[in-house]
Amino acid sequence: DAKTTQPPSMDCAEGRAANLPCNHSTISGNEYVYWYRQIHSQGPQYIIHGLKNNETNEMASLIITEDRKSSTLILPHATLRDTAVYYCIVNNAGNMLTFGGGTRLMVKP
Amino acid sequence: SQTIHQWPATLVQPVGSPLSLECTVEGTSNPNLYWYRQAAGRGLQLLFYSVGIGQISSEVPQNLSASRPQDRQFILSSKKLLLSDSGFYLCAWSVLGGTGGYTFGSGTRLTVV
Repeated sequence: DAKTTQPPSMDCAEGRAANLPCNHSTISGNEYVYWYRQIHSQGPQYIIHGLKNNETNEMASLIITEDRKSSTLILPHATLRDTAVYYCIVNNAGNMLTFGGGTRLMVKP
Repeated sequence: SQTIHQWPATLVQPVGSPLSLECTVEGTSNPNLYWYRQAAGRGLQLLFYSVGIGQISSEVPQNLSASRPQDRQFILSSKKLLLSDSGFYLCAWSVLGGTGGYTFGSGTRLTVV
């Protein structure tokens, strides 16, 4: 599976959009981009995934660049409950997910 | 709808004692099942995965073993716990061959004393 690079931490003001970047320059054509988050002392929670096109669901939007070498997870109106570690993972469907260090997002009032 | 159950939520065990953590999935058939461990302040480490009854693959050598006696039941065991086995243990499932994500259980926080 391709490796990903994420900033170790980010801050965001409550009510503002949180934009979490992820670099995955070695992604191959059949690998998906997945985003999970882990709130303290809980299991990771699936957020969204995509292959080529941008995706949106009730939790977030995923923007994938045309060359697929990077992506951005967007939380449109961050709340204090969005404080968590966010993991970006690229994975060939059917393979095991490998979690890296993620980005620790701190939403501040 | 699919649900995943993991128990117990917390566990304190002495060194050298046995361990059995259970995970069950409801609402799906033939899931892929996974055990992860997260040491304090660290990332998630895949321990075992299973694609079917009796089929277990280990990702890292360790003091633990896993079994899948039924389609939707996954058990993590140890005969003698070590201090280094302390951590947050998470069970997860995914659809066999699917592109969707993993669903994780609520985890078991194990402290070996």
